[in-house]
Amino acid sequence: QKEVEQDPGPLSVPEGAIVSLNCTYSNSAFQYFMWYRQYSRKGPELLMYTYSSGNKEDGRFTAQVDKSSKYISLFIRDSQPSDSATYLCASGDMDSSYKLIFGSGTRLLVRP
Amino acid sequence: GAGVSQSPSNKVTEKGKDVELRCDPISGHTALYWYRQRLGQGLEFLIYFQGNSAPDKSGLPSDRFSAERTGESVSTLTIQRTQQEDSAVYLCASSTGWQTQYFGPGTRLLVL
Repeated sequence: QKEVEQDPGPLSVPEGAIVSLNCTYSNSAFQYFMWYRQYSRKGPELLMYTYSSGNKEDGRFTAQVDKSSKYISLFIRDSQPSDSATYLCASGDMDSSYKLIFGSGTRLLVRP
Repeated sequence: GAGVSQSPSNKVTEKGKDVELRCDPISGHTALYWYRQRLGQGLEFLIYFQGNSAPDKSGLPSDRFSAERTGESVSTLTIQRTQQEDSAVYLCASSTGWQTQYFGPGTRLLVL
C-alpha cells in the first residue's frame, strides 16, 4: 500500500464547476499536508500548505484535512480552463520534515 | 528573479552509459532536493542537501545513483550504467525553509 493514495483521474469538469480533489494517507505520523499543481512539462508549484486538521482557504482554493479519517481534500471554486493541470498531494512528518511523500497526482481538465 | 534551472532538459542515452544531470538552485537557498517522477507516478524523494550538513541519501534507489553539491550552489546527479527503468523525469527543488520547495522544470531521461 502506498503511503499517499490519489485517484489518477482524469477528472473533466465544465468551466465554473466546483472541483473536489482527494487523497488518503496511511501514516498516522503525518502532520503537514500540501497540494502542488503541475502543468504539463513543468515542475510542481506549491498551492496550499496545511498543518494538522481543519480548513485553509486561499482565494478560490480550500484545503481540508481530516486526520481522524486520514483524508485530505482540495476544493477549487469557479474552476477555470487555466486550472487544467495535474494536482499532487504530499504529506510529511516532523522527524524528517523535508522528506515529502507524494501521491501520484490527479489530472484535471476544465472545459471552456 | 531566476528560478531553479536544470540541464539538459532532455537526455536520451543508451543502456549502460553514465549520465550527469545538473541543477542550479535559486540563489540563497540552502536546501536542495532531487526527486524522480516516473510516468503517471508521484514524486519519489532521492536526496536532500542542507548547507554544509551531510546529505540525506536515503532515497537513492541503488549505488549507481550519486549526487554532489558544491557549497550552496550547483548540484549534479549522476547515474552510472543506466538501465531502462531509470527512464523518468528528474526534478530538482530548492528552498530556504522546508515548507516551500521551488521546483525546476526537470530533466527528461530516456534510456534506450
